Amino acid sequence: EDQVTQSPEALRLQEGESSSLNCSYTVSGLRGLFWYRQDPGKGPEFLFTLYSAGEEKEKERLKATLTKKESFLHITAPKPEDSATYLCAVQAPGNNRLAFGKGNQVVVIP
Amino acid sequence: KAGVTQTPRYLIKTRGQQVTLSCSPISGHRSVSWYQQTPGQGLQFLFEYFSETQRNKGNFPGRFSGRQFSNSRSEMNVSTLELGDSALYLCASSLADGRSYGYTFGSGTRLTVV
Repeated sequence: EDQVTQSPEALRLQEGESSSLNCSYTVSGLRGLFWYRQDPGKGPEFLFTLYSAGEEKEKERLKATLTKKESFLHITAPKPEDSATYLCAVQAPGNNRLAFGKGNQVVVIP
Repeated sequence: KAGVTQTPRYLIKTRGQQVTLSCSPISGHRSVSWYQQTPGQGLQFLFEYFSETQRNKGNFPGRFSGRQFSNSRSEMNVSTLELGDSALYLCASSLADGRSYGYTFGSGTRLTVV
């Protein structure tokens, strides 16, 4: 069974204080690893898909990296608007279901 | 372009009743997936439909069912509601397998069972 573990569960950052979120996964053949952002009362918002170890993707202050066992979401010089829950999910070959971790809740303090 | 639309946004039902939730995907998207989100379990996959056919199903009891219409709109139904069914139900649509552009989620239907 596909498993995704995210750490830390919660993180408080000062504005400008860079940090990283971890997503460890177990899947029989990775088809894709997804990062989403979710704000309270809203559905998850797609950020990135990573396909193979060594791949990196960036969007504004966010950078996602992938190894064979884990992915990191680096937040550089965060702003209060980066406060959200960040969700990691994996997709295995043969089906389109996403197996999600429980999320990293990030609060950025001005 | 319009996003994924889920109706209703909020719903309160009594134990034992049944409920139907609706999802209108982004125009042109043929894949629709449903997820249940709770504080304890996080997001859990319910099922996926593509061109009116169920392609995948998660580990939920038979009380949870769904369907997709020819215009790609989808509904999910929960019969004999239990207190534990209280959750945010999210629908996501994609062109095919969601890899390139991800799955686009709606804002969800918040179901409360009392």
